[in-house]
Amino acid sequence: GQNIDQPTEMTATEGAIVQINCTYQTSGFNGLFWYQQHAGEAPTFLSYNVLDGLEEKGRFSSFLSRSKGYSYLLLKELQMKDSASYLCAVRGGFKTIFGAGTRLFVKA
Amino acid sequence: GAVVSQHPSRVICKSGTSVKIECRSLDFQATTMFWYRQFPKQSLMLMATSNEGSKATYEQGVEKDKFLINHASLTLSTLTVTSAHPEDSSFYICSASTTGSGTEAFFGQGTRLTVV
Repeated sequence: GQNIDQPTEMTATEGAIVQINCTYQTSGFNGLFWYQQHAGEAPTFLSYNVLDGLEEKGRFSSFLSRSKGYSYLLLKELQMKDSASYLCAVRGGFKTIFGAGTRLFVKA
Repeated sequence: GAVVSQHPSRVICKSGTSVKIECRSLDFQATTMFWYRQFPKQSLMLMATSNEGSKATYEQGVEKDKFLINHASLTLSTLTVTSAHPEDSSFYICSASTTGSGTEAFFGQGTRLTVV
């Protein structure tokens, strides 16, 4: 089966850096996604990793270690609008399963 | 990115009636569409996977006779909640992808269903 773990909540200060971790177990690993979701809205795509290493995209970076079943999302220069839930999702075969999400609160 | 349109965004229906939710890929052909349900402060739970022209594959615990899925074309999938009950009230979200691995899923806007 598939299992995804990520922290429930995190709090960080505007302008700071925050790292959201995700550990997973799956068969037929076929990629890991990070999505941002604001309350009452659909998720929006942030990043995709299928090979080990760091992918950087502006203020957001995502890291993957397949041997450890581990990923993190790094958010730099935090802004108030970054307050949202961040979902780690793992594709096994052609099915994508989502973690419970990490609610990030950015304070001034 | 590609656009997925989901309609309606909000619907209120009476208990016992049926509700149809549409999911359309506007600028690409979606060979596979996924339907998720999300309860407040919880993650997206995959309900079913539908491939164009074939029967949907339902996740364990999801009643296929209650949640009817049709994927008649490469740009349209529908989810019909039959004989809706208050416990079916939830946020339903579709996503669509093209064939091949490594493609991100593009999400519709979601449908907030309230059964009264």
